[in-house]
Amino acid sequence: QKEVEQNSGPLSVPEGAIASLNCTYSDRGSQSFFWYRQYSGKSPELIMFIYSNGDKEDGRFTAQLNKASQYVSLLIRDSQPSDSATYLCAVNTGAAGNKLTFGGGTRVLVKP
Amino acid sequence: DTEVTQTPKHLVMGMTNKKSLKCEQHMGHRAMYWYKQKAKKPPELMFVYSYEKLSINESVPSRFSPECPNSSLLNLHLHALQPEDSALYLCASSQGPLFDYSPLHFGNGTRLTVT
Repeated sequence: QKEVEQNSGPLSVPEGAIASLNCTYSDRGSQSFFWYRQYSGKSPELIMFIYSNGDKEDGRFTAQLNKASQYVSLLIRDSQPSDSATYLCAVNTGAAGNKLTFGGGTRVLVKP
Repeated sequence: DTEVTQTPKHLVMGMTNKKSLKCEQHMGHRAMYWYKQKAKKPPELMFVYSYEKLSINESVPSRFSPECPNSSLLNLHLHALQPEDSALYLCASSQGPLFDYSPLHFGNGTRLTVT
């Protein structure tokens, strides 16, 4: 079982719709959860981070965390063509919690 | 623009060459990281420096040698690489170690090609 798992996609959404991305993780000790956006050929860009169970909203983005189910999600509201990218879920892992492990990423395509 | 600066942006080297990748941050961050990313794959952790000391080495081959001269600088020395080492090398920094809930901020990366 991989430490951090995501559906690879592509997730195709029409412009203006909500994109819903999911991520599961295996390490029950993980405390920090991050979503990164990566455009092709570019480096990952931090979008959101969440540490506590529940929802966290920032603009059009909402991160949701459920530690009991070992599940973290990202909602993108009012999706725009510029949101087309690969979204990487990342979780702190390791005995000291000092490693950031990435899921395989979900490719999102927003169609005008 | 990213606050983590990596040089060079692109590097082509032969298998017998010695080269270095450089990373600099001026955010006062105390943890720095090297990741390797192959095409269509997620970043893979190579090394973690915390307070200028190597805290994690993910069993990386010795042809990759990290160095942290001070809290703002991180180098990755390359020697006798193989073509399969061609990848995007990403440097990142965080305010503190991850267990202090610090997000990673990535540089723009160095695209390395080994011929």
